Amino acid sequence: DAGVIQSPRHEVTEMGQEVTLRCKPISGHNSLFWYRQTMMRGLELLIYFNNNVPIDDSGMPEDRFSAKMPNASFSTLKIQPSEPRDSAVYFCASSLKTGSNEKLFFGSGTQLSVL
Amino acid sequence: AQSVTQPDIHITVSEGASLELRCNYSYGATPYLFWYVQSPGQGLQLLLKYFSGDTLVQGIKGFEAEFKRSQSSFNLRKPSVHWSDAAEYFCAVGAPLTASKLTFGTGTRLQVTL
Repeated sequence: DAGVIQSPRHEVTEMGQEVTLRCKPISGHNSLFWYRQTMMRGLELLIYFNNNVPIDDSGMPEDRFSAKMPNASFSTLKIQPSEPRDSAVYFCASSLKTGSNEKLFFGSGTQLSVL
Repeated sequence: AQSVTQPDIHITVSEGASLELRCNYSYGATPYLFWYVQSPGQGLQLLLKYFSGDTLVQGIKGFEAEFKRSQSSFNLRKPSVHWSDAAEYFCAVGAPLTASKLTFGTGTRLQVTL
């Protein structure tokens, strides 16, 4: 299995631009999570999906952030418009069991820099 | 609300020496506890987890952790550190049977000297 695949690995953009991060979870997994990692705040859960349905988006910082999961094999996290404070590493993770904390498989992350 | 504290931001040990990374949690009941490792430029990898039962859990790469309810701790240990263990280590807590909202600690960066 290729694991959780995220793209791009690095993204540099200018303030005000739209940014789209992509994630392909492990085949067969039914839960998908978006995390953000910064030096100041550590790892924060932004949103998670179960069976393609958003379950909890309370971690999404503001309306500029949106996430979709149109099917079981693909999810996007969009920031529009982007701001310098959005600069962080964004991780996607997937797991198999519903509502379980058992084991998250993380992608390698997208390093986002907003200038 | 659940929370995790990793009091050591940075630890340096010599190769071959023993290691203990501290983790304290706050949760109203028996939590699910995890240790993850992150190598530079990589995502997090699960080292071990505690759900119930034996309070000493074994993980991958020779790591173990002990759940101590009285101390609200879940410290990670390794008897003999290898240079390849240099990485950042995260402790996390989750609520059983509910949404997978893991709360991560701020991490401990491990440096291994030769």
